[in-house]
Amino acid sequence: EIVLTQSPGTLSLSPGETATLSCRASRTVPTNYLAWYQQKPGQAPRLLIYGTSNRATGIPDRFSGSGSGTDFTLTISRLEPEDFAVYFCQQCDDSRFTFGPGTKVDVK
Amino acid sequence: EVQLLESGGGLVQPGGSLRLSCAASGFTFRSFDMTWVRQAPGKGLEWVAGISSTGGSTYYADSVKGRFTISRDNSNNVLHLQMNSLRAEDTAVYYCAKARIERTYNAPSDYWGQGTLVIVSS
Repeated sequence: EIVLTQSPGTLSLSPGETATLSCRASRTVPTNYLAWYQQKPGQAPRLLIYGTSNRATGIPDRFSGSGSGTDFTLTISRLEPEDFAVYFCQQCDDSRFTFGPGTKVDVK
Repeated sequence: EVQLLESGGGLVQPGGSLRLSCAASGFTFRSFDMTWVRQAPGKGLEWVAGISSTGGSTYYADSVKGRFTISRDNSNNVLHLQMNSLRAEDTAVYYCAKARIERTYNAPSDYWGQGTLVIVSS
């Protein structure tokens, strides 16, 4: 099983600032198989990024993804009030998908 | 419009069984692999099980293997999760989710249902 670790656990920022979220895998994940989701309280997760760096339909360009091998990054530029949420990375390379524990982005 | 509507959750005693269903609409259900993901109260996301578009291949997390069975009815556009020998640690909101790409298991999920709550308690 591929274990994903996310850091930091919580990121406290102000609107307009840039958030940098990290996801580290226990072994190499091909870039095609790394995704990021956003989840707000009481809601289902929403796909943000697939294939490491591709924005899903309707996702604004302030969200960007990068990385390779075992280290991946989600960057949220110019934080908007609606961006304060929890973010999860996911690998779908192994047949048993796994998620990271999540990073909460909250208001400073 | 893609819609996924879970049902079947509720309160069940430890050792009991429950069958979750996910009614799909707005897309060609038989062409897409599907997964179940759960979230315990206040916790993160845990992938539970996945199934290929034809139903011919199924995959399970170690935590549920041998107790849960994922299946699908492509004639009626429904995904199921049969849960047996339930434990307190199975308490969670269960989401069904659709693969982003047709006939591709190894793909993230682009649509999710609203979830159904399962509580395992005596």
